[in-house]
Amino acid sequence: QQQVRQSPQSLTVWEGGTTVLTCSYEDSTFNYFPWYQQFPGEGPALLISILSVSDKKEDGRFTTFFNKREKKLSLHIIDSQPGDSATYFCAASFSYQGGRALIFGTGTTVSVSP
Amino acid sequence: AQTIHQWPVAEIKAVGSPLSLGCTIKGKSSPNLYWYWQATGGTLQQLFYSITVGQVESVVQLNLSASRPKDDQFILSTEKLLLSHSGFYLCAWSLGGNQDTQYFGPGTRLLVL
Repeated sequence: QQQVRQSPQSLTVWEGGTTVLTCSYEDSTFNYFPWYQQFPGEGPALLISILSVSDKKEDGRFTTFFNKREKKLSLHIIDSQPGDSATYFCAASFSYQGGRALIFGTGTTVSVSP
Repeated sequence: AQTIHQWPVAEIKAVGSPLSLGCTIKGKSSPNLYWYWQATGGTLQQLFYSITVGQVESVVQLNLSASRPKDDQFILSTEKLLLSHSGFYLCAWSLGGNQDTQYFGPGTRLLVL
């Protein structure tokens, strides 16, 4: 089934704390998983991404973990800052009729309180 | 550096009226192009993609159509708007391949009354 489940729907974290978002999927053909950050009124911006051959990717304060056996991925944001307050989407990429399609999760709205 | 431009920034249209939204990519040759729709407070849904001029594939139509008249241009249109067309329309580009990272434009906000 081509859908991506994301949780939680929203969360609040204190400045300096760690934010953890999770996603799960069922379709084994998904092989590339980007995470996007979206601010109100703007287009989503790529935050970090991981291929299904890897289990971890780190970029500064952002780390994504991938568990192929359990079909789960997560995003960890350490030392969360008020500027990280945004909606975060996980996504899964797969081949579709000669091109690539991207299925997005339902999104998590993160609020970082100072 | 590549830039992606969407026009108009926002539109208010009447039900039953026509619509044309545009997207232009500069700085990349022969990109893959995509249209997405996002309901207010919702997730993104891929509508169309194109890997070359004149070729467009539909993922979810929603009574919309898309065309790629030039290598750097992608158009989304309909002859008759529905209330359900309201939302945020996003254009994206990628270079293809397995790690097909898509980069999004600033979007067009559409309100249908």
